[in-house]
Amino acid sequence: SQELEQSPQSLIVQEGKNLTINCTSSKTLYGLYWYKQKYGEGLIFLMMLQKGGEEKSHEKITAKLDEKKQQSSLHITASQPSHAGIYLCGADPRITGFQKLVFGTGTRLLVSP
Amino acid sequence: DGGITQSPKYLFRKEGQNVTLSCEQNLNHDAMYWYRQDPGQGLRLIYYSQIVNDFQKGDIAEGYSVSREKKESFPLTVTSAQKNPTAFYLCASSARTILNTDTQYFGPGTRLTVL
Repeated sequence: SQELEQSPQSLIVQEGKNLTINCTSSKTLYGLYWYKQKYGEGLIFLMMLQKGGEEKSHEKITAKLDEKKQQSSLHITASQPSHAGIYLCGADPRITGFQKLVFGTGTRLLVSP
Repeated sequence: DGGITQSPKYLFRKEGQNVTLSCEQNLNHDAMYWYRQDPGQGLRLIYYSQIVNDFQKGDIAEGYSVSREKKESFPLTVTSAQKNPTAFYLCASSARTILNTDTQYFGPGTRLTVL
């Protein structure tokens, strides 16, 4: 079965600093999703990557999928307190022909003033 | 506004009781999902439904049951057979197409605590 490993597990950065979160898959990804979660709340969709080498940006968050489609990174530029939360990656292994996502364990981000 | 609603937000249950968690969506999505989230673990799939009147077991279906009588609704029942039901439960939905990968959108979650 497909497994996703996220690193680091937790991260504390000073406001204004850049940071990167990684998501590594044991198998080739059909689709890679990034979500953000505030504690005790639901997941908010950030971005989806599907093609090798693809890169997408939204405001100060950029996500990339490597050419081999087994690793993705999420980069936040000039972090703000509003970026704090848990970032989860989800992968579509497309085994059954129907989308069943496998999730990483998440990266907890704290932004200090 | 379109979206997914879950109720209640907090739920307390005594051991041996069945409880039902509500999930409603007005996004006109065909597919709906139930996940369980525990501290330090990723989301685990309990049940999913691709279309009305059809549903399949996910990775951890034991002790849970679902129904899908309406497109908008996908309630989850946590039965007394579930040995460790205390967790955060998340419902999601997605448009269902065979060729494309469709984004899952999540509700706000229900935190279930067994007393």
